[in-house]
Amino acid sequence: QLQVQESGPRLVRPSETLSLTCGVSGGSISSRSYYWGWIRQPPGKGLEWIGSISYGASAYYNPSLQSRVTISLDTSKKQFSLRLSSVTAADTAVYYCARQATTVTPGEIDSWGQGTLVTVSS
Amino acid sequence: DIVMTQSPDSLGVSLGERATINCKSSQTVLSSSNNKNYLAWYQHKPGQPPRLLIYWASMRESGVPDRFSGSGSGTDFTLTISSLQAEDVALYFCHQYYSIPATFGQGTRLDIK
Repeated sequence: QLQVQESGPRLVRPSETLSLTCGVSGGSISSRSYYWGWIRQPPGKGLEWIGSISYGASAYYNPSLQSRVTISLDTSKKQFSLRLSSVTAADTAVYYCARQATTVTPGEIDSWGQGTLVTVSS
Repeated sequence: DIVMTQSPDSLGVSLGERATINCKSSQTVLSSSNNKNYLAWYQHKPGQPPRLLIYWASMRESGVPDRFSGSGSGTDFTLTISSLQAEDVALYFCHQYYSIPATFGQGTRLDIK
């Protein structure tokens, strides 16, 4: 069964870059049938889709974050990564990595990571 | 962005009774090209990752008990649990993937009455 798991620093300083990695096991990251995405949930708030990428395809990003976000895929390491630049306290959230089905654009999320709380603070 | 609004925010249902959760989108999520509703439902329990229950508004994910069903089209959708079990206590939320950015409902907390 496919599993995805987030890893990375739990504390990031304001104005710096948040970097998270998602390891994929139990399935192929090179399949063109799926997108690999990031979703976050700030404390006490709802879920926010950050962006998704698929093997051999362009990434899609939330326009509200697009200027600060990069998602990349490393098939040799079976992982994908999130970079969010110029962070502020508003970027404090539980960050989930996930697998999404695709019909051209990212679809339903059929596997989620456990989530990791990243705090932006000096 | 498409705004997803769920109702109610919380719900208490007796064991064995029916639970109904609603999700309304601010714009249609029905595609005219394939006649599919780009709407999914998830269950989220504390300490666990969210679990996909329903996609395409009414397709049950593999392994999901058949007491869970999804219905609706266009802008109005419903998740129904036909006979509530103790293990169904959780947060439930909807998700539209019709347009970028994907958006989520605020969630409905389901408890035992």
